[in-house]
Amino acid sequence: SQQGEEDPQALSIQEGENATMNCSYKTSINNLQWYRQNSGRGLVHLILIRSNEREKHSGRLRVTLDTSKKSSSLLITASRAADTASYFCATDDSSASKIIFGSGTRLSIRP
Amino acid sequence: DTGVSQNPRHKITKRGQNVTFRCDPISEHNRLYWYRQTLGQGPEFLTYFQNEAQLEKSRLLSDRFSAERPKGSFSTLEIQRTEQGDSAMYLCASSSTGNQPQHFGDGTRLSIL
Repeated sequence: SQQGEEDPQALSIQEGENATMNCSYKTSINNLQWYRQNSGRGLVHLILIRSNEREKHSGRLRVTLDTSKKSSSLLITASRAADTASYFCATDDSSASKIIFGSGTRLSIRP
Repeated sequence: DTGVSQNPRHKITKRGQNVTFRCDPISEHNRLYWYRQTLGQGPEFLTYFQNEAQLEKSRLLSDRFSAERPKGSFSTLEIQRTEQGDSAMYLCASSSTGNQPQHFGDGTRLSIL
């Protein structure tokens, strides 16, 4: 079963615009992670945010976490063609032994 | 910097055949995970190892699936008597501990004819 669900399922924006993806989850977590996957490749870790953190930045990425709403958002600023990929959120399960991925947001950047 | 390596990258086989995939994790990582991913979906957890011990298996892992990590280094995932529904991308990942980010290989794409 999937813990996190991303919204929207697909997003197409113009190069240079900002992209926002959301993730909702069901049970309490220790941390939440975002990963990127280019077509035909493995996943690449982007950022990890712990349950006691509200916001985290890494380069053009900004992640927020609202544990009261059980939701997270990933903002990519000044998008580039190379940002075209699928983005997944992942939350640890109740035993914190593994992470569970959502179904992802497919981001397309138009030149 | 050697990342996670998976072989083969692609495997095409006939229904009913056995297949085996190999994963070489980052050398200092204790944790090794296997996932299955179908088109348009996120990776689904199959199983994970802490060193050589297989600590958890998903209900997705039927009796036809077996995974090993004999010396706590590389791992193999074997599927016996393959079925059409086994067609997917099989991903391997490793991490130093359970709370650390996972590093993924590029996967093995399995196609069942």
